[in-house]
Amino acid sequence: TAGITQAPTSQILAAGRSMTLRCTQDMRHNAMYWYRQDLGLGLRLIHYSNTAGTTGKGEVPDGYSVSRANTDDFPLTLASAVPSQTSVYFCASSGQGIGGYTFGSGTRLTVV
Amino acid sequence: AQKVTQAQTEISVVEKEDVTLDCVYETRDTTYYLFWYKQPPSGELVFLIRRNSFDEQNEISGRYSWNFQKSTSSFNFTITASQVVDSAVYFCALNTGANSKLTFGKGITLSVRP
Repeated sequence: TAGITQAPTSQILAAGRSMTLRCTQDMRHNAMYWYRQDLGLGLRLIHYSNTAGTTGKGEVPDGYSVSRANTDDFPLTLASAVPSQTSVYFCASSGQGIGGYTFGSGTRLTVV
Repeated sequence: AQKVTQAQTEISVVEKEDVTLDCVYETRDTTYYLFWYKQPPSGELVFLIRRNSFDEQNEISGRYSWNFQKSTSSFNFTITASQVVDSAVYFCALNTGANSKLTFGKGITLSVRP
């Protein structure tokens, strides 16, 4: 089934450790996004990429980095995790123009 | 800047009641798209509807209906004869153009009791 694959599904991470959340799409969508979801705050954009080779900062980029080496992959890296980064992370993609957005199933990250 | 406000945070109804989820948006763009997503307890985000700013016709899909009113910058969602399976978090979202990002409201938690 076409869509977005996120890995891992969940993770417990010690504070100070680094981690990369993986996101892969097979729809050849140009744009990809990373959101975090926190209770009472909805989904907030962390980073985005309009096309392979470009990235941009969203609303809450601090502590996160991304890369977009090719169309399909958009990994999110936490260089040194802190407890406030405990959240559910969603990767999404969108195609040409203003179309629908496809979301992955999310990664639940707990930083202890 | 664009903003989506979902003033209701939690709503609880008894099965078969009708319920309306409010959404108010802010944007300076004349071209924009509005969305509703459902997030059931399983956690995935389920796309419900997309409406562009030039189409103010209300839409009905089964028990779901959407009322788009540009005059009040609102895009409200009504569930008729609610069911327990409608229990979820519902998000309203806004996108204002190519390379624009999807901005979400904070979500409304709907609980439908048997």
